Amino acid sequence: DTEVTQTPKHLVMGMTNKKSLKCEQHMGHRAMYWYKQKAKKPPELMFVYSYEKLSINESVPSRFSPECPNSSLLNLHLHALQPEDSALYLCASSQRGGGTSGTTGELFFGEGSRLTVL
Amino acid sequence: AQSVAQPEDQVNVAEGNPLTVKCTYSVSGNPYLFWYVQYPNRGLQFLLKYITGDNLVKGSYGFEAEFNKSQTSFHLKKPSALVSDSALYFCAVRDPDFNKFYFGSGTKLNVKP
Repeated sequence: DTEVTQTPKHLVMGMTNKKSLKCEQHMGHRAMYWYKQKAKKPPELMFVYSYEKLSINESVPSRFSPECPNSSLLNLHLHALQPEDSALYLCASSQRGGGTSGTTGELFFGEGSRLTVL
Repeated sequence: AQSVAQPEDQVNVAEGNPLTVKCTYSVSGNPYLFWYVQYPNRGLQFLLKYITGDNLVKGSYGFEAEFNKSQTSFHLKKPSALVSDSALYFCAVRDPDFNKFYFGSGTKLNVKP
């Protein structure tokens, strides 16, 4: 069983809708991630939060807006998406990187939110 | 720059036979290497990691991986494959300075009864 919980599991939205994906972890991890995954492809990094601050944005379009309200929660706000944005969106967490402390920890993934944009 | 490569898109093996899924890496500094498995419509599950120490790493579900520094490889192995091992396998390397993980392209493992 995963210790990273994502909701909803499935989401269908139109191109003019606004929706949010949510992610929660209670492992005390201080780094949280959003990945996008297309079928049979590796996950593509979108955003990294470290200590609730955005540390990496992989040039993601502004129609995706991340938010980290506290150390346990991570949201991804969606607005004006395109059909090509349809994918599995994965949340993950790890021990904080940087220096020697927490640099070797693995990623823990949630089960993902399957997004379909019509 | 850190990267991993998985040279095989697909590996087919009969149940009960040993399996190997290949991964090679390119890193600057110490390699922090990982294997993940993904079942259809599920998230990625951690199998094992190499940080330092013994070159043979044991992980979940009977999997192990052999770290070979001279060949820059980190191949995933299992002595006896199960049909339930059929899934998509990803090798990954962690860049500790930037808290990023780089994934290989993935290898689909098919285990036939």
